[in-house]
Amino acid sequence: GNSVTQMEGPVTLSEEAFLTINCTYTATGYPSLFWYVQYPGEGLQLLLKATKADDKGSNKGFEATYRKETTSFHLEKGSVQVSDSAVYFCALYTGNQFYFGTGTSLTVIP
Amino acid sequence: DADVTQTPRNRITKTGKRIMLECSQTKGHDRMYWYRQDPGLGLRLIYYSFDVKDINKGEISDGYSVSRQAQAKFSLSLESAIPNQTALYFCATADGLIQETQYFGPGTRLLVL
Repeated sequence: GNSVTQMEGPVTLSEEAFLTINCTYTATGYPSLFWYVQYPGEGLQLLLKATKADDKGSNKGFEATYRKETTSFHLEKGSVQVSDSAVYFCALYTGNQFYFGTGTSLTVIP
Repeated sequence: DADVTQTPRNRITKTGKRIMLECSQTKGHDRMYWYRQDPGLGLRLIYYSFDVKDINKGEISDGYSVSRQAQAKFSLSLESAIPNQTALYFCATADGLIQETQYFGPGTRLLVL
């Protein structure tokens, strides 16, 4: 079946620290992979995506590379800001449905 | 104005009551989805619809029903609410031609006593 496993939180970092949130997936076929972000009190927003192996998605300083050999799509940012505090969801899309991970809460302290 | 709206934003109800959550979108998308979000479980798909006459069950459809009244409207009903349906509910839309990006509403927080 299809599923997404992501790093459990919560994660607390100091401003300007390096961020990695791990995500691995199980899927039939060739899914597209996504990171969504949820700010407090809001719905999810697309952060970045990659549609095929070796693609790198990037946005707002965040990056993730679609690694088929390790079935991974880890989210990274070189220098986090307080405004990055949110819950991050890894997801895959198979053509009919999205499958979401459980979410990782990130808090960035000044 | 928001592209995907949900009403109500918050609701408290009692066990056994019928309740409807509504979702409207102005994006012109044909695909619409209902999810629930629970702490530690992420988002789980309840129902989805690819067109007005198309309704599909998701991972956790038991205890829920939906109605796609028009392309822009997709309602979720709890016929007889129970406490374990207390959750945050999200509606989402997607373009059938660019299927891969979903646009989420702000959510409805439901408490069943």
